[in-house]
Amino acid sequence: ETGVTQTPRHLVMGMTNKKSLKCEQHLGHNAMYWYKQSAKKPLELMFVYSLEERVENNSVPSRFSPECPNSSHLFLHLHTLQPEDSALYLCASSPTGTGLLTGELFFGEGSRLTVL
Amino acid sequence: KQEVTQIPAALSVPEGENLVLNCSFTDSAIYNLQWFRQDPGKGLTSLLLIQSSQREQTSGRLNASLDKSSGRSTLYIAASQPGDSATYLCASLSGGSNYKLTFGKGTLLTVNP
Repeated sequence: ETGVTQTPRHLVMGMTNKKSLKCEQHLGHNAMYWYKQSAKKPLELMFVYSLEERVENNSVPSRFSPECPNSSHLFLHLHTLQPEDSALYLCASSPTGTGLLTGELFFGEGSRLTVL
Repeated sequence: KQEVTQIPAALSVPEGENLVLNCSFTDSAIYNLQWFRQDPGKGLTSLLLIQSSQREQTSGRLNASLDKSSGRSTLYIAASQPGDSATYLCASLSGGSNYKLTFGKGTLLTVNP
C-alpha cells in the first residue's frame, strides 16, 4: 500500500463518546499534519508533527488530542466533541520536517466525522 | 496575516473549453504556491507547486502561473473534460520563522459533456 491512508473513512459518534482517527503514510516522509475541512471554509491546520515531535498546535480545543508514535503513524483522539466539530478531517505528510511546511503536501482521503 | 482568495467560487463550462481559475494572496512574500484538486468527499491531490523563484509550472493540460508582485496565481486548464470536474484549491506558503500554508476556499468546477 502506498501514499497516505486514513481510517475510518466515516465515523458517527455521540458527544460523550471517545474515538480515534488513524493516519498512516508509506512515503518515508518525516512530517505529518492534521487538517480540518468544514463546509464553505478554508482548510484549517490543526497539528503538525516533525520527526515525531509536535511543532504546531493551532489553538485547537483540548477535546482533540494528537499522538504521533513514529514517523509513519499519526492519530487524532476525540473526546466529548460538539456537533460543530462535524467535518472532514484530513491527514497529510511532507518530505521536510523541522516545523517548516515546505515542499509538497500529500493528503489522505479524509475521515468524515459526524457528531450527533 | 496571509489571506487567500479564489474567484470564482463556482464555474460551469462546456466540454472542450479552455478555462482559467484565479487565486490571489495578500502577502506577496511567499515561498511557494501550490494547486490542489479535491473530488467530492475525498482528500486533496497535489497538481502543481510553483516555487517563489518560478513564473510557471506545467503538467499535461494544466499550466499554473505565479506573479508574486501582484499577489496572483492562475491555473489554466486546456481542452477541459468532464473528468476535470472537481474543486480546485490553491495554497500559499508564507511567514517568517514560522511558515504557514494558507488555503483558499476553492473553486468548484463543473465541465458539462
